Amino acid sequence: RKEVEQDPGPFNVPEGATVAFNCTYSNSASQSFFWYRQDCRKEPKLLMSVYSSGNEDGRFTAQLNRASQYISLLIRDSKLSDSATYLCVVNFGNEKLTFGTGTRLTIIP
Amino acid sequence: NAGVMQNPRHLVRRRGQEARLRCSPMKGHSHVYWYRQLPEEGLKFMVYLQKENIIDESGMPKERFSAEFPKEGPSILRIQQVVRGDSAAYFCASSQEDRGVAFFGQGTRLTVV
Repeated sequence: RKEVEQDPGPFNVPEGATVAFNCTYSNSASQSFFWYRQDCRKEPKLLMSVYSSGNEDGRFTAQLNRASQYISLLIRDSKLSDSATYLCVVNFGNEKLTFGTGTRLTIIP
Repeated sequence: NAGVMQNPRHLVRRRGQEARLRCSPMKGHSHVYWYRQLPEEGLKFMVYLQKENIIDESGMPKERFSAEFPKEGPSILRIQQVVRGDSAAYFCASSQEDRGVAFFGQGTRLTVV
């Protein structure tokens, strides 16, 4: 089993729709969690950290479920500019960030 | 307040040559990570360094690849005797001590011809 698993997609979603991604991780002792976004041929950029209580930033909501060992990202009112690959990232407590392979999202006009 | 700086942005090497990739972390960051991304694939961890120390090199190929992060100067990822399969984007990231959030450089795209 991979340490961090994501559905690779692609997700093709009409503009304005709501889309959700899940990510599962293998180590219950994992300490911190993040969502990054990567546009084609560019560097990953931090989208948001994921806290135990869940957190929201504008149209984006992240949730953490430690019991089931998954994190989720919800995007509301999707925009064309949201088209990208979304990377789930876990710090297993050794400061090394482990990346999922990413979920590709395309917003359709 | 410059971000993570990588150079060169693009590097072309012939098979058998050496490639040197440089990464200057963000100011105040003492942790450096190197990742490799093959075309149409995800990011793969290579090595994690702190100043003058290699903390985790579990993702580094056993031969031809080495990394350092000296007391002064940038972190260097060195690939000796490059082969076509080394062609990839190499990303460097840095973070503050005891923080998990990492910020990435723009990457070096290595092409081996």
